[in-house]
Amino acid sequence: GIQVEQSPPDLILQEGANSTLRCNFSDSVNNLQWFHQNPWGQLINLFYIPSGTKQNGRLSATTVATERYSLLYISSSQTTDSGVYFCAAVNAGGTSYGKLTFGQGTILTVHP
Amino acid sequence: DAGVIQSPRHEVTEMGQEVTLRCKPISGHNSLFWYRQTMMRGLELLIYFNNNVPIDDSGMPEDRFSAKMPNASFSTLKIQPSEPRDSAVYFCASSLGGGLGQPQHFGDGTRLSIL
Repeated sequence: GIQVEQSPPDLILQEGANSTLRCNFSDSVNNLQWFHQNPWGQLINLFYIPSGTKQNGRLSATTVATERYSLLYISSSQTTDSGVYFCAAVNAGGTSYGKLTFGQGTILTVHP
Repeated sequence: DAGVIQSPRHEVTEMGQEVTLRCKPISGHNSLFWYRQTMMRGLELLIYFNNNVPIDDSGMPEDRFSAKMPNASFSTLKIQPSEPRDSAVYFCASSLGGGLGQPQHFGDGTRLSIL
């Protein structure tokens, strides 16, 4: 099946800093999502982005499907951005439905 | 709009007991997924339903686990008998069109602890 790898595994920032999280996938995808798991364990949808670029406030994401990677940008980070960020993808040639394969996540800690 | 609703949020029970987790998908979504999150294995798909029919249950760990979807607005995941290694966070997600070309929306999860 498809492999999804995220980097870095851990990231520590000072409030106000910018950061870039990366997600590499081993095969073509027809679904790619970024999630934020907050300290309460909730999985929050950030972006549905199988290709292209999207922005939502201080967050933006870009997926270059032909190069098999996606990037999540966080600008002017805040302490509330802390948590684990997951990338998840559906292999285009894998199954007939949207079986999401998750990366191992990036643990982000933002200090005040 | 109501999102995916799971209950209970937390469950603590003793080994050997039956556990039932519940999920109400987003209205109008025809695809439902159960995932499990553990420290060792991360997030993994357990079972997928389309139009209330189980399509892929290859991720269900063993016969102690069963899932049903009696109608479009309700699904259960049952563990009988439960074991300490079943302790995990269980998520339910729903989407349109089998999740192809559509995002999956996750519930808040059920944190299960088996003593």
